Formats: sequence, C-alpha cells, structure tokens
Amino acid sequence: GAVVSQHPSRVICKSGTSVKIECRSLDFQATTMFWYRQFPKKSLMLMATSNEGSKATYEQGVEKDKFLINHASLTLSTLTVTSAHPEDSSFYICSARTSGDTGELFFGEGSRLTVL
Amino acid sequence: KNQVEQSPQSLIILEGKNCTLQCNYTVSPFSNLRWYKQDTGRGPVSLTIMTFSENTKSNGRYTATLDADTKQSSLHITASQLSDSASYICVVSPPILTGGGNKLTFGTGTQLKVEL
Repeated sequence: GAVVSQHPSRVICKSGTSVKIECRSLDFQATTMFWYRQFPKKSLMLMATSNEGSKATYEQGVEKDKFLINHASLTLSTLTVTSAHPEDSSFYICSARTSGDTGELFFGEGSRLTVL
Repeated sequence: KNQVEQSPQSLIILEGKNCTLQCNYTVSPFSNLRWYKQDTGRGPVSLTIMTFSENTKSNGRYTATLDADTKQSSLHITASQLSDSASYICVVSPPILTGGGNKLTFGTGTQLKVEL
C-alpha cells in the first residue's frame, strides 16, 4: 500500500536554529500534503495544507514565516521551523492523500522536535 | 462549527475482552468517516474508511459501524490484544466538491490500554 515517509523521526536543536522536516509519498503522487502538530494526549492540529507548485495554505493562528512549507514536487513537501524556540517543541506529522473523496489519507511516522 | 467527539476519553480492558469506542460528529455535508490507530510517538494508521452509504466495515478484529442519520459511528475491537493499546482517532471529511475536502475534522481520540 501507499506509504508516506517522514524524516527525521527525532531532532534536537538549539534555540534560534532552523530545522527542516521532509515528507515523501513513496509510491503515489500527492498534489496535496498536510502538516499537523500534536501535543501530548491531544488530537492532531492541522497547521497547513501544502500544494504542489503553489503557496501553502495556513490555518488561522499558524505563522507562515515561522513554519515555512515547500512542496517542490509531487512526492516531497518540507516543513522548516525557523528560529526555533522551546515552545516549538512538539510532534509534527505530515500526511498525503490519494485522489477522490474517499482517497486514502496516509500519515508519516511523525517527527519529534525538541528545542533546547 | 464542525465537531467530532469521541468517547470514552480513555479505557482500560483485559486482554481477550471486546470493547466499543464511540464517535459522534456534526460535520455537514458529510463524505466519509475514518478510524485510525495511533501508537504513542508514531503516525496514525488507517483502520477503516466508510462513506455515508456504508453501515459497517471490518478490518480483521476491527469493525466500524456508521449511522449517517444520527451522525454516529462506533469501532468495535474483538478479542483485544496487548498491541491494541493505542489512541484511536475518528476523522470526518466533507465532500471534496464542496471545497472542503481537505478540511478533515479530527476527534480527540480514545486512549485504549489493554492489560494482562
């Protein structure tokens, strides 16, 4: 079945640095990918919708200059957390959807970001 | 406002026992409802997906039901195993043609723990 690969699975960085997380659809083309943030014991919170070849659509309250999203190809979207701070520490998950109303939605394995 | 509520919030059962998780939603219009299993620190994995015309769908020991009239769904787990310990998330989607196909609404999840 379709697989979405997310990398890195864990990253620790110093405050003020930038971190890039990659999301790849391995065996299908995804014109749209999604980025979520999840706090402990909470549901996934949609941050932005990544559209191939165009600008991402951010949810209300999500800083687009803080969380840069690039969807340069049909199989790759990246999320860059810029000038990271400890409050950015979280579990970030991407997903990609196959076509149609009942298209399967596949999630990546998630990336645990810890900002010191 | 579209909402998806799940109950119970958490549940502890003995290995081998059955259990049923509930999902009530207010999303309208409605296209499909999905159940996901999320292990701690991992991305969600799809269990079932049902359109409004489907009443039940099984995936091994997992059986999901849907009542589109009352906007309720349940996930029944049979003969539970220790590996079933996870968070189970209900996700509801409007039709893509309405322009909201990407606006998935996530439930807060039910945390299931299976004990010996």
